[in-house]
Amino acid sequence: SQQGEEDPQALSIQEGENATMNCSYKTSINNLQWYRQNSGRGLVHLILIRSNEREKHSGRLRVTLDTSKKSSSLLITASRAADTASYFCATDEGNQFYFGTGTSLTVIP
Amino acid sequence: DVKVTQSSRYLVKRTGEKVFLECVQDMDHENMFWYRQDPGLGLRLIYFSYDVKMKEKGDIPEGYSVSREKKERFSLILESASTNQTSMYLCASIHRGFSRANEKLFFGSGTQLSVL
Repeated sequence: SQQGEEDPQALSIQEGENATMNCSYKTSINNLQWYRQNSGRGLVHLILIRSNEREKHSGRLRVTLDTSKKSSSLLITASRAADTASYFCATDEGNQFYFGTGTSLTVIP
Repeated sequence: DVKVTQSSRYLVKRTGEKVFLECVQDMDHENMFWYRQDPGLGLRLIYFSYDVKMKEKGDIPEGYSVSREKKERFSLILESASTNQTSMYLCASIHRGFSRANEKLFFGSGTQLSVL
Protein backbone atom coordinates (compact mmCIF):
# COMPACT_ATOMS: atom_id res chain seq x y z
CA SER A 1 0.00 0.00 0.00
CA GLN A 2 1.17 3.52 -0.67
CA GLN A 3 2.73 5.49 2.12
CA GLY A 4 3.47 8.96 0.81
CA GLU A 5 0.96 11.42 -0.48
CA GLU A 6 2.26 14.56 -2.11
CA ASP A 7 0.60 17.93 -2.17
CA PRO A 8 -0.01 19.72 -4.44
CA GLN A 9 -0.49 17.34 -7.36
CA ALA A 10 0.66 20.03 -9.77
CA LEU A 11 2.53 23.28 -9.34
CA SER A 12 3.37 25.96 -11.90
CA ILE A 13 5.75 28.81 -11.07
CA GLN A 14 7.90 31.41 -12.76
CA GLU A 15 11.63 30.93 -13.08
CA GLY A 16 13.40 32.34 -10.04
CA GLU A 17 10.54 31.64 -7.63
CA ASN A 18 10.68 29.05 -4.90
CA ALA A 19 8.74 25.79 -5.14
CA THR A 20 7.43 23.96 -2.10
CA MET A 21 5.88 20.52 -2.15
CA ASN A 22 4.67 18.48 0.77
CA CYS A 23 4.49 14.82 1.61
CA SER A 24 2.53 12.98 4.27
CA TYR A 25 3.01 9.38 5.29
CA LYS A 26 1.33 6.89 7.58
CA THR A 27 3.69 4.82 9.70
CA SER A 28 7.15 4.78 11.26
CA ILE A 29 10.03 5.21 8.87
CA ASN A 30 13.80 4.64 8.75
CA ASN A 31 14.23 7.63 6.50
CA LEU A 32 12.36 9.68 3.94
CA GLN A 33 13.71 10.38 0.50
CA TRP A 34 12.86 12.65 -2.39
CA TYR A 35 13.24 11.63 -6.01
CA ARG A 36 12.91 13.48 -9.26
CA GLN A 37 11.58 12.10 -12.54
CA ASN A 38 11.92 13.77 -15.89
CA SER A 39 9.11 12.97 -18.30
CA GLY A 40 9.20 9.36 -19.43
CA ARG A 41 12.39 8.52 -17.56
CA GLY A 42 13.45 6.73 -14.40
CA LEU A 43 13.64 8.32 -10.97
CA VAL A 44 16.77 9.98 -9.67
CA HIS A 45 17.55 10.32 -5.98
CA LEU A 46 17.72 13.91 -4.74
CA ILE A 47 18.03 13.93 -0.98
CA LEU A 48 17.54 11.71 2.05
CA ILE A 49 16.59 12.77 5.55
CA ARG A 50 16.87 10.37 8.44
CA SER A 51 14.08 9.89 10.94
CA ASN A 52 16.12 11.64 13.66
CA GLU A 53 16.84 14.72 11.52
CA ARG A 54 14.58 17.74 11.19
CA GLU A 55 16.12 19.64 8.30
CA LYS A 56 18.65 19.01 5.57
CA HIS A 57 20.12 21.07 2.77
CA SER A 58 21.69 20.16 -0.54
CA GLY A 59 22.44 22.98 -2.95
CA ARG A 60 19.12 24.65 -3.78
CA LEU A 61 17.17 21.90 -2.02
CA ARG A 62 15.90 22.06 1.52
CA VAL A 63 14.02 19.20 3.13
CA THR A 64 12.24 19.22 6.45
CA LEU A 65 10.82 16.32 8.38
CA ASP A 66 8.25 16.38 11.16
CA THR A 67 7.86 12.86 12.49
CA SER A 68 5.16 13.92 14.96
CA LYS A 69 2.98 15.04 12.05
CA LYS A 70 4.33 12.38 9.71
CA SER A 71 5.07 14.95 7.07
CA SER A 72 7.94 16.31 5.03
CA SER A 73 8.45 19.23 2.70
CA LEU A 74 10.81 19.84 -0.19
CA LEU A 75 11.76 23.40 -1.03
CA ILE A 76 13.52 24.23 -4.29
CA THR A 77 14.88 27.76 -4.20
CA ALA A 78 15.52 30.02 -7.18
CA SER A 79 13.86 27.59 -9.56
CA ARG A 80 15.05 27.09 -13.12
CA ALA A 81 13.30 25.82 -16.22
CA ALA A 82 15.44 22.68 -15.92
CA ASP A 83 13.74 21.90 -12.59
CA THR A 84 10.56 21.04 -14.51
CA ALA A 85 9.86 17.42 -13.54
CA SER A 86 7.79 15.26 -11.22
CA TYR A 87 8.92 14.94 -7.62
CA PHE A 88 8.18 11.97 -5.40
CA CYS A 89 8.68 11.32 -1.73
CA ALA A 90 9.49 7.78 -0.68
CA THR A 91 9.51 6.19 2.74
CA ASP A 92 11.88 3.40 3.60
CA GLU A 93 10.01 0.82 5.66
CA GLY A 94 11.47 -2.59 6.29
CA ASN A 95 12.41 -4.19 2.98
CA GLN A 96 10.25 -1.93 0.88
CA PHE A 97 10.03 1.62 -0.32
CA TYR A 98 6.66 3.28 -0.64
CA PHE A 99 6.17 6.13 -3.08
CA GLY A 100 3.56 8.81 -3.25
CA THR A 101 1.69 9.93 -6.34
CA GLY A 102 4.08 12.81 -6.97
CA THR A 103 3.99 16.54 -7.58
CA SER A 104 4.33 17.73 -11.16
CA LEU A 105 6.37 20.93 -11.19
CA THR A 106 6.44 23.27 -14.18
CA VAL A 107 8.88 26.17 -14.13
CA ILE A 108 8.04 28.80 -16.72
CA PRO A 109 11.04 30.61 -18.21
CA ASP B 1 28.12 5.59 -10.35
CA VAL B 2 25.60 2.77 -10.27
CA LYS B 3 24.04 1.85 -13.54
CA VAL B 4 20.71 0.09 -13.80
CA THR B 5 19.89 -0.91 -17.34
CA GLN B 6 16.49 -1.93 -18.62
CA SER B 7 16.59 -3.79 -21.89
CA SER B 8 13.91 -1.83 -23.75
CA ARG B 9 12.62 1.74 -23.57
CA TYR B 10 9.48 1.00 -25.53
CA LEU B 11 7.74 -2.30 -26.10
CA VAL B 12 4.54 -3.16 -27.94
CA LYS B 13 2.99 -6.58 -27.40
CA ARG B 14 -0.29 -8.31 -28.14
CA THR B 15 -2.79 -9.63 -25.64
CA GLY B 16 -1.89 -13.13 -24.52
CA GLU B 17 1.80 -12.88 -25.35
CA LYS B 18 4.43 -13.81 -22.78
CA VAL B 19 6.55 -10.76 -22.10
CA PHE B 20 9.99 -10.54 -20.54
CA LEU B 21 11.35 -7.31 -19.09
CA GLU B 22 15.01 -7.44 -18.22
CA CYS B 23 16.94 -5.39 -15.71
CA VAL B 24 20.67 -5.48 -15.03
CA GLN B 25 22.65 -3.57 -12.40
CA ASP B 26 26.40 -3.29 -12.21
CA MET B 27 27.08 -2.55 -8.54
CA ASP B 28 26.60 -5.93 -6.89
CA HIS B 29 23.41 -4.83 -5.13
CA GLU B 30 21.58 -7.54 -3.26
CA ASN B 31 18.14 -5.96 -3.49
CA MET B 32 16.24 -5.34 -6.69
CA PHE B 33 12.70 -4.13 -7.29
CA TRP B 34 10.10 -3.95 -10.03
CA TYR B 35 7.54 -1.15 -9.96
CA ARG B 36 4.83 -0.11 -12.34
CA GLN B 37 3.86 3.52 -12.70
CA ASP B 38 0.46 4.71 -13.84
CA PRO B 39 -0.87 8.27 -14.01
CA GLY B 40 -2.40 9.33 -10.73
CA LEU B 41 -1.32 6.15 -8.95
CA GLY B 42 2.37 6.77 -8.42
CA LEU B 43 4.73 3.81 -8.21
CA ARG B 44 3.39 0.47 -7.07
CA LEU B 45 5.63 -2.40 -6.11
CA ILE B 46 5.15 -5.60 -8.09
CA TYR B 47 7.93 -7.83 -6.77
CA PHE B 48 11.28 -7.49 -5.10
CA SER B 49 14.26 -9.73 -4.51
CA TYR B 50 16.82 -9.55 -1.74
CA ASP B 51 19.12 -12.27 -3.02
CA VAL B 52 19.68 -14.68 -5.88
CA LYS B 53 16.70 -16.98 -6.33
CA MET B 54 14.82 -15.14 -3.58
CA LYS B 55 11.69 -13.15 -4.32
CA GLU B 56 8.91 -11.47 -2.42
CA LYS B 57 5.54 -10.25 -3.60
CA GLY B 58 4.85 -6.57 -3.53
CA ASP B 59 1.46 -4.89 -3.55
CA ILE B 60 0.32 -5.93 -7.03
CA PRO B 61 1.93 -9.27 -8.03
CA GLU B 62 -1.09 -10.71 -9.83
CA GLY B 63 -0.37 -11.49 -13.46
CA TYR B 64 3.40 -11.20 -12.98
CA SER B 65 6.28 -13.42 -12.03
CA VAL B 66 9.99 -12.76 -11.59
CA SER B 67 13.29 -14.50 -11.98
CA ARG B 68 16.60 -13.83 -10.24
CA GLU B 69 19.11 -16.43 -11.40
CA LYS B 70 22.12 -14.12 -11.14
CA LYS B 71 22.76 -11.31 -8.71
CA GLU B 72 22.98 -8.62 -11.37
CA ARG B 73 19.83 -9.55 -13.28
CA PHE B 74 16.19 -9.35 -12.25
CA SER B 75 13.56 -10.24 -14.83
CA LEU B 76 9.87 -9.43 -14.78
CA ILE B 77 7.60 -11.81 -16.66
CA LEU B 78 4.07 -11.18 -17.81
CA GLU B 79 2.77 -14.70 -18.29
CA SER B 80 -0.10 -13.68 -20.55
CA ALA B 81 -0.13 -9.98 -21.26
CA SER B 82 -3.39 -8.09 -20.90
CA THR B 83 -4.36 -4.56 -21.86
CA ASN B 84 -4.52 -3.49 -18.21
CA GLN B 85 -0.81 -4.22 -17.96
CA THR B 86 -0.07 -1.34 -20.30
CA SER B 87 2.15 0.81 -18.11
CA MET B 88 5.61 2.21 -17.40
CA TYR B 89 7.75 -0.40 -15.69
CA LEU B 90 10.65 0.69 -13.52
CA CYS B 91 13.44 -1.43 -12.13
CA ALA B 92 15.52 -0.33 -9.13
CA SER B 93 18.32 -1.68 -6.99
CA ILE B 94 19.86 -0.89 -3.62
CA HIS B 95 22.61 -2.05 -1.33
CA ARG B 96 21.29 -2.84 2.14
CA GLY B 97 23.87 -2.47 4.88
CA PHE B 98 23.66 -2.73 8.64
CA SER B 99 22.30 0.79 8.92
CA ARG B 100 19.35 1.92 6.83
CA ALA B 101 20.27 5.53 7.37
CA ASN B 102 21.82 6.40 4.01
CA GLU B 103 20.53 3.92 1.51
CA LYS B 104 18.96 5.08 -1.69
CA LEU B 105 17.41 3.43 -4.71
CA PHE B 106 18.97 3.52 -8.17
CA PHE B 107 16.50 3.33 -11.03
CA GLY B 108 16.64 2.25 -14.62
CA SER B 109 15.24 4.48 -17.37
CA GLY B 110 11.99 2.58 -17.52
CA THR B 111 10.17 0.47 -20.10
CA GLN B 112 6.94 1.82 -21.52
CA LEU B 113 4.93 -1.28 -22.35
CA SER B 114 1.85 -1.15 -24.53
CA VAL B 115 -0.35 -4.22 -24.75
CA LEU B 116 -2.73 -4.15 -27.70
